[in-house]
Amino acid sequence: EVQLVQSGAEVKKSGESLRISCKASGYSFTTYWIAWVRQLPGKGLEWMGIIYPGDSNTRYSPSFRGQVTISADSSITTAYLQWNSLGASDSAMYYCARCPSTTLQPLYVDYWGQGTLVAVSS
Amino acid sequence: DIVMTQSPDSLALSLGERATINCKSSQSVLYSRNNKNYFAWYQQRPGQPPKLLINWASTRESGVPDRFSGSGSGTDFTLAIRSLQAEDVAVYYCQQYYSTPHTFGQGTKVEIK
Repeated sequence: EVQLVQSGAEVKKSGESLRISCKASGYSFTTYWIAWVRQLPGKGLEWMGIIYPGDSNTRYSPSFRGQVTISADSSITTAYLQWNSLGASDSAMYYCARCPSTTLQPLYVDYWGQGTLVAVSS
Repeated sequence: DIVMTQSPDSLALSLGERATINCKSSQSVLYSRNNKNYFAWYQQRPGQPPKLLINWASTRESGVPDRFSGSGSGTDFTLAIRSLQAEDVAVYYCQQYYSTPHTFGQGTKVEIK
C-alpha cells in the first residue's frame, strides 16, 4: 500500500527555520517524483516544487524559488521541505504528493500525504 | 506559467442534479507527439487532502464513481457530475501537468441546495 506520512503540526516564530518531512512507503521511492503543495487557510492549492529522488532533479515554481528548499534522502525514503527564515505568510497546510513520470517528466498527483499544518506567529 | 481558470467559483444544486465545472488553460496542454492532454481533476472534501478523480482529461481513476466524467481538449475542459450525491460536496480543482510549475485552477466549491 502506497503511503505518504508527513511530520506533525508546527508552531514557529517569524525568522525561525523549519524542515518538515514526508516519509514514503509501499513503492519504489526513486522512480516517482515528490511534489509539495501549499494551501493557505481557506484558499486553493499552490504547486511549490518537485523532486525526483532517483537523481535529485528538482524544479521550483518561480513563486517559491529561493523561499524554500526541497530535498530527499533515498536511504530513508523521505522527502523534505525546508525554510531558512519563516514569515507569518508561510502559515498554511503543506502537502507532499507522489507523481508518476513518463520519459522522466512528472505527471499528475496520484497519492497525497495527510498534510502538515505550519503556524507562524510574528 | 500556464494559468488555469475555473468557472464557476461555486455552485449549489439539488441532490440528483447534474453539475458542470469548466476549466480553461492559458495555453494548450495537448502534447502533439502522443495526442494526450496533460490535464487532471481533483476533489477535496472538507478537512481532507485532495484526491485524484481524472487524469489525461478524461481517464477516471480507479475507484472513482462513473457519475464523474471529464472531457475537453487543448485549452478547454469540463468535469461533469451526472447525479449529484451528498458525498460530492467538495471543492474541485483542475491542474495542468504539461509543464512545470504544474498549476492548479482556483477551485470550484460544490454544495447541496
